[in-house]
Amino acid sequence: GAVVSQHPSWVICKSGTSVKIECRSLDFQATTMFWYRQFPKQSLMLMATSNEGSKATYEQGVEKDKFLINHASLTLSTLTVTSAHPEDSSFYICSAHKFSGSANEQFFGPGTRLTVL
Amino acid sequence: QKEVEQDPGPLSVPEGAIVSLNCTYSNSAFQYFMWYRQYSRKGPELLMYTYSSGNKEDGRFTAQVDKSSKYISLFIRDSQPSDSATYLCAMLRAAGNKLTFGGGTRVLVKP
Repeated sequence: GAVVSQHPSWVICKSGTSVKIECRSLDFQATTMFWYRQFPKQSLMLMATSNEGSKATYEQGVEKDKFLINHASLTLSTLTVTSAHPEDSSFYICSAHKFSGSANEQFFGPGTRLTVL
Repeated sequence: QKEVEQDPGPLSVPEGAIVSLNCTYSNSAFQYFMWYRQYSRKGPELLMYTYSSGNKEDGRFTAQVDKSSKYISLFIRDSQPSDSATYLCAMLRAAGNKLTFGGGTRVLVKP
């Protein structure tokens, strides 16, 4: 397997503030990372694809100016929720893509629970 | 119609029983098939990864892929209460790395 970490695991913030979430691949390099959002009892919803050294690709309906993604190195991607509002409260999960030989796998971080007051 | 269909459950079984999970898909471009386990308020954990039709076994877990029927399964033998979680199937096209998920099946193993 492979290890992906997220920080923080849990954050509470006031409405209107910005929150940064980090995603790190600890024992492998990931040129591509993904950011998901998950509401209670629902499956994961892909928000954007983060590519090292280039702009992120956002899924339809996801505001790129609100959810800023930076993938500055092969082991780190960050998601910044700008001007957060209560409706942004959710569970945010990142994954890192690992491709080696015939294996084409994604490994997920433990998630970050965001609560916006 | 969703590309990947998965019964949401919940699926409740007694401890020691076999848990049977499945997903159907409509896009024949999917070539890689994964099963993830997700505990409440945690990220998904990769359980099984397959890319060919047939069976793959790993401990108590068996993954089955039938590409001709566009049907994949996961079996959990000798189920334990610690297996209680949501199980997600996910698929990848040959070209690309964007996962398509099923909706997840909630499993409850009762002691």
